[in-house]
Amino acid sequence: DTGVSQNPRHKITKRGQNVTFRCDPISEHNRLYWYRQTLGQGPEFLTYFQNEAQLEKSRLLSDRFSAERPKGSFSTLEIQRTEQGDSAMYLCASSFTGLDSSNQPQHFGDGTRLSIL
Amino acid sequence: RKEVEQDPGPFNVPEGATVAFNCTYSNSASQSFFWYRQDCRKEPKLLMSVYSSGNEDGRFTAQLNRASQYISLLIRDSKLSDSATYLCVVNRDYGQNFVFGPGTRLSVLP
Repeated sequence: DTGVSQNPRHKITKRGQNVTFRCDPISEHNRLYWYRQTLGQGPEFLTYFQNEAQLEKSRLLSDRFSAERPKGSFSTLEIQRTEQGDSAMYLCASSFTGLDSSNQPQHFGDGTRLSIL
Repeated sequence: RKEVEQDPGPFNVPEGATVAFNCTYSNSASQSFFWYRQDCRKEPKLLMSVYSSGNEDGRFTAQLNRASQYISLLIRDSKLSDSATYLCVVNRDYGQNFVFGPGTRLSVLP
């Protein structure tokens, strides 16, 4: 399977714990995005990377959230001191952007469903 | 006002019906437009890109009206398998993030 891969699929943890999610994008894609989605809403943008550079962060990404893409391949999203409001589906997507900045559509992973007890 | 808005739905239609969804966006600098579908508890999947001249893919037709800043999706001869949430997606600027609408839920009934 050469699609976007995310793990774990589900994460249940107690409030105050730290959690880390991983995303492996489609190999030839240079852009990687993180989104958060809650029930009945569309995905909300959190951050994105072009290769290893983090180019934009949403104001939704508080200082408890950090994302990395150290080698321009896989990415991790860490949430520190989790709160109940962090319960959501965390989606990763990747796309290819050419030298002419033309954007190809995004392809999503299955997501990681986070539940904070 | 949200940057991307969609018909609130839900739409409940019988099999074989034609249904249309509308989406409006507020940023006139938006460059790329897409429709995604999302099944319950699944990830969004690309349905089709939306081109300025309008485009069709089988039973699905997408239209873009830049002057009025809206996008539409028409589904003809709807099938039970079309039941899903349809997400309108707008890419504001080259290289910037993709903004999703809240989605319109469609239920096709037998």
